[in-house]
Amino acid sequence: SAVISQKPSRDICQRGTSLTIQCQVDSQVTMMFWYRQQPGQSLTLIATANQGSEATYESGFVIDKFPISRPNLTFSTLTVSNLSPEDSSIYLCSGGGTANEQFFGPGTRLTVL
Amino acid sequence: GENVEQHPSTLSVQEGDSAVIKCTYSDSASNYFPWYKQELGKRPQLIIDIRSNVGEKKDQRIAVTLNKTAKHFSLHITETQPEDSAVYFCAASTNFGNEKLTFGTGTRLTIIP
Repeated sequence: SAVISQKPSRDICQRGTSLTIQCQVDSQVTMMFWYRQQPGQSLTLIATANQGSEATYESGFVIDKFPISRPNLTFSTLTVSNLSPEDSSIYLCSGGGTANEQFFGPGTRLTVL
Repeated sequence: GENVEQHPSTLSVQEGDSAVIKCTYSDSASNYFPWYKQELGKRPQLIIDIRSNVGEKKDQRIAVTLNKTAKHFSLHITETQPEDSAVYFCAASTNFGNEKLTFGTGTRLTIIP
């Protein structure tokens, strides 16, 4: 199974600022995804991070608010821009395994004051 | 797009009894159905998955069944133990998992000692 790490594990940010989250996979994966999980809720897909091209965003999520980079097959970043308290959540990345299973990073807990 | 419904939202069972969680999906093109277990403050962990070319899969005390005609799949946990207490999420995907996952709303399972 793929081992996925995320940085930072948590952060407290002021409104109006931005936070960039890094996701590193220990092996090359075809697919990488970014999810948001509100407390006590399910996982909501933000976007698919495409290597070498623009990310594919889900309804309700836009590039200006959630710019994503994926420079290679093992690394991706998600930026949450112009933060507001409503952005307080856990952000998780996932990567596709060798048999197409998806494994998750440990998550980044964001609190916006 | 795909819609995944999950029931029940909470489930309490006596230790040693069985637990069953059910999910239905809407997209007949879905052909990959993983189940994730998420303990408090942890990442979702893949516990079992099934592809549409089989009707049942077992791994020790855990089994998943799939009914493609009815578009539903279920997680069965036998001989439950306290460490089975967690939130369980079902999900569905097309292309045998090489696409985004759509998650159910989750089931909070509590094992009563």
